[in-house]
Amino acid sequence: EAGVTQSPTHLIKTRGQQATLRCSPISGHTSVYWYQQALGLGLQFLLWYDEGEERNRGNFPPRFSGRQFPNYSSELNVNALELEDSALYLCASSPRLLSSYEQYFGPGTRLTVT
Amino acid sequence: QKEVEQNSGPLSVPEGAIASLNCTYSDRGSQSFFWYRQYSGKSPELIMFIYSNGDKEDGRFTAQLNKASQYVSLLIRDSQPSDSATYLCAVIPNYGQNFVFGPGTRLSVLP
Repeated sequence: EAGVTQSPTHLIKTRGQQATLRCSPISGHTSVYWYQQALGLGLQFLLWYDEGEERNRGNFPPRFSGRQFPNYSSELNVNALELEDSALYLCASSPRLLSSYEQYFGPGTRLTVT
Repeated sequence: QKEVEQNSGPLSVPEGAIASLNCTYSDRGSQSFFWYRQYSGKSPELIMFIYSNGDKEDGRFTAQLNKASQYVSLLIRDSQPSDSATYLCAVIPNYGQNFVFGPGTRLSVLP
């Protein structure tokens, strides 16, 4: 069974630009979560999508947005990039069936803003 | 504010010893608990999850949950240098809500 995939692996952008990160969940998983992990810091929850809808978002400004497509893949967009947006962005998927809530992470996209 | 707390470490144990990692949470209604291992520069890897009070064993790993005291722990028996990583505790405060992660405990297993 293929795991969660993310692209690109690395992304280098200039301050003020926009970044688009992509995630494909494990087959059969309907929920996708996005997290930010800045160097040396913990996982900060960004967004949660399930069945195409945004279910919850963390304490991040509106320039962080995303969507989930009918095939359950997801996209995270970060507008007006700032230097402090440099981090590892992790996507996770979950089956959310009955009592099964565990999340499985992709390898991440490392975003560097210069 | 729902919080999950862990000692940041580093926790150092000799090879072959038992490593004990602890996590406390503030939301008494929390139902689901997870342990992840994260190697430096890599993404978190699910080790175990536990939903009911008591112990759950999987190989060298044992998760222990005490809802009355609001803590969950992870024991690693026969610790190996390859177990050296940051261990993240995650909690779902209520059914249908997203994870809340603790800051992680860095474990170092010394050969």
